[in-house]
Amino acid sequence: GQQLNQSPQSMFIQEGEDVSMNCTSSSIFNTWLWYKQDPGEGPVLLIALYKAGELTSNGRLTAQFGITRKDSFLNISASIPSDVGIYFCAGMNYGGSQGNLIFGKGTKLSVKP
Amino acid sequence: DAGVIQSPRHEVTEMGQEVTLRCKPISGHDYLFWYRQTMMRGLELLIYFNNNVPIDDSGMPEDRFSAKMPNASFSTLKIQPSEPRDSAVYFCASSPRQGNGYTFGSGTRLTVV
Repeated sequence: GQQLNQSPQSMFIQEGEDVSMNCTSSSIFNTWLWYKQDPGEGPVLLIALYKAGELTSNGRLTAQFGITRKDSFLNISASIPSDVGIYFCAGMNYGGSQGNLIFGKGTKLSVKP
Repeated sequence: DAGVIQSPRHEVTEMGQEVTLRCKPISGHDYLFWYRQTMMRGLELLIYFNNNVPIDDSGMPEDRFSAKMPNASFSTLKIQPSEPRDSAVYFCASSPRQGNGYTFGSGTRLTVV
């Protein structure tokens, strides 16, 4: 089946630093999504990407849909302590009987004040 | 909107007992998904419904697992009999249409002893 490789698995950074994480797939997707999960909560959607090459920002977060449609990255600028959590990429192909998200294994972000 | 509501938040049960997890999706969302999250396997799709009809249950691990959606505002995931390896966080999510990001509930943490 389709698999997503998300890297890095974890990051320890200093407050104020920029963060970059990415996701690659063995097959193409027509939608890429990025979620953040806080402890004890469900994943929350951060950014949705629907077109190859698309670059979208949400505050300090920027994500891009790779041209090959097999990858995506998420950048966080000037990290703050509340950025701590697990970030998941997710890909989707929809149409017909399909329509479910495939999730990466997540990137655990720790921020030192 | 109250979001996706799951109950209970925590469930501890003995091996062999029946467990029922509940979900109320966001009103107007046509798609409902059940996911399981573990450290080893990450987020796995168990089953999803479109307009109350099960579309893909290939992720349901065994016959011990069953899911129903009797109406547009309620779904259940049942495990009978439960086993320790079923211990995980179970998430329900809903979406208004294919291609949209999902809204997740806060999850049910199940512990089978």
